[in-house]
This record gives sequence, structure tokens and C-alpha cells, in this order.
Amino acid sequence: QKEVEQNSGPLSVPEGAIASLNCTYSDRGSQSFFWYRQYSGKSPELIMSIYSNGDKEDGRFTAQLNKASQYVSLLIRDSQPSDSATYLCAVRGRGSTLGRLYFGRGTQLTVWP
Amino acid sequence: DVKVTQSSRYLVKRTGEKVFLECVQDMDHENMFWYRQDPGLGLRLIYFSYDVKMKEKGDIPEGYSVSREKKERFSLILESASTNQTSMYLCASSFMGNYGYTFGSGTRLTVV
Repeated sequence: QKEVEQNSGPLSVPEGAIASLNCTYSDRGSQSFFWYRQYSGKSPELIMSIYSNGDKEDGRFTAQLNKASQYVSLLIRDSQPSDSATYLCAVRGRGSTLGRLYFGRGTQLTVWP
Repeated sequence: DVKVTQSSRYLVKRTGEKVFLECVQDMDHENMFWYRQDPGLGLRLIYFSYDVKMKEKGDIPEGYSVSREKKERFSLILESASTNQTSMYLCASSFMGNYGYTFGSGTRLTVV
């Protein structure tokens, strides 16, 4: 079973702060990584994907990948109350499971005004 | 805009009923997935499919079956609904390869 672990939270930050969400994974051969945002009562929405070591920026979001440490993170700069949601880390499996994503249980983020 | 459509947003069914959850995608995706999501347990994969008439068991297939007769449609069947199948059911689809999923809006099923 491929494991994807996220810091359980909940995480609470003030408006304007940087929120840092972390994720580790067990399958060293994993090649692609995704972050989903899920508002309460809604379905997950893809917000970031990352495939190579280093940083990938998209607006206020930065995904960071370190394959040697089997670690992926999501930074949200200038956090807004509208960023309050559960963030799911997902990792793509290898071989016969190609196409399937393995999800962490999510980190609940609250941004307070 | 790309879409994954789940036929019902809320369903209430009785114990022992046969339940059909339908999912249709309009993106020509090869892969389709059924998950259930429960508080504290996260997303758990029930079944998935890489092609028409092809299916693979996920992590919790017991009590469920699936059907994929057309590329765009993936149905989840609860053969005899039980109260422990009360959950949020999420359908997702993706292209083959290094792509993320697109999720449907979910069906909240209550079995009484």
C-alpha cells in the first residue's frame, strides 16, 4: 500500500500570512504530485501539479518537491479567508497502477481575518 | 468547460435496495474512478477503469460493482445497500498518463 501522509492540522493562520502545507510519500519511484483544494461540502478541485524537483509557482501558490526526501509542500502566500478549505496531497502510482492517484487524508486550513 | 456529471446530488435509499450511481464525463478521458469519502478516513478508492468494459478493484470493492459500457459513462452499483455505505461518493476521470483527476460534484448517499 502506497502511503501519503499529511500534517493532520487543523492549521490556522491570519489573513496575509503564509500557510505551509506538507506531505510525505512512501513510494520512492513516484513521478507526479498534485494538490487539491476541497471546500466544505464540495468536491476536490485541482490547484497545482508538480513533476520535477524544485519549486513551481502559480499566483499565490507555490508547490515544492524534494524527491530525495520524498516530500512535497504547498505554500500559500498572502492567505485569504477564501483559502479556508481542506487541502489534499495526491501522488501518482507506478506500473500497473499508472493513472491511479494516492491521496493523503488532507489538512484543514482556516484563514482568519 | 470540462465536466464530470454525477446524476444525483443527494439520494436516500432503504437497506437492501439496489442502488445505481451514474457518472458521465465529456472530456474523452480514458480513466474513470469511484471514491467514497468519509470524515477522518479521507478518499478511498472503490473501483476504477482504464477502458471500456475494463474494471479494476480499488481498496474497498466489497459490496460494490461497476459497469463501463461506454467510454464516457462509469456506473457504480451497490448490490444490496447497507447503512455502512452511507457516504459521499465521488466520481473522477483523467487522461492516461501524468494528469490529475477532474472530480464530479459528488453524490451524498444515505441508506436508512
